[in-house]
Amino acid sequence: SQQGEEDPQALSIQEGENATMNCSYKTSINNLQWYRQNSGRGLVHLILIRSNEREKHSGRLRVTLDTSKKSSSLLITASRAADTASYFCAPGTGTASKLTFGTGTRLQVTL
Amino acid sequence: EPEVTQTPSHQVTQMGQEVILHCVPISNHLYFYWYRQILGQKVEFLVSFYNNEISEKSEIFDDQFSVERPDGSNFTLKIRSTKLEDSAMYFCASKAGTDNSPLHFGNGTRLTVT
Repeated sequence: SQQGEEDPQALSIQEGENATMNCSYKTSINNLQWYRQNSGRGLVHLILIRSNEREKHSGRLRVTLDTSKKSSSLLITASRAADTASYFCAPGTGTASKLTFGTGTRLQVTL
Repeated sequence: EPEVTQTPSHQVTQMGQEVILHCVPISNHLYFYWYRQILGQKVEFLVSFYNNEISEKSEIFDDQFSVERPDGSNFTLKIRSTKLEDSAMYFCASKAGTDNSPLHFGNGTRLTVT
């Protein structure tokens, strides 16, 4: 498996603003997954985009995938204080393969 | 919605003692994992388990570690002789057997070795 690299490492915005996080990876993938981790808790799966998809929406989340650039972005619209967490991308390379997590993007949403 | 359950939420043990961390994965899932996260660091892969055997393990998962699926529902991680550096959050995860299925994580067991 391979690890995604998230950028920026930290992001601080005000409630109501949009938050954009980016992810880069190195080799070919089956899918790209985004997870959230609140402090001291387990990772929560947010959204999965398949390699043949370019954009996917889920509620306030929008994910894009550019396989030619080996990159993905996660947009959270109209952010809330409850969105404060670390966000991780994880390239998926097969049914049996493990996921490897990087250092993530720490998002702080202030009132 | 079904979830992965881990017990205990917090385990304190003395160095050299054996600990067993318990997980109940989602019932129809086929792939099982343990990860750990030392305070302030990345979530690190330890081991994956499929079809009643280890499918992959990391360098961290040395002879002190073992996993078991003793019945149809539990998935355990045993550390035989704990060290101070084993102090971490340990997360269990499971996944369905279909392509493009995500990992479902439990809320972890915080292991403190004194």
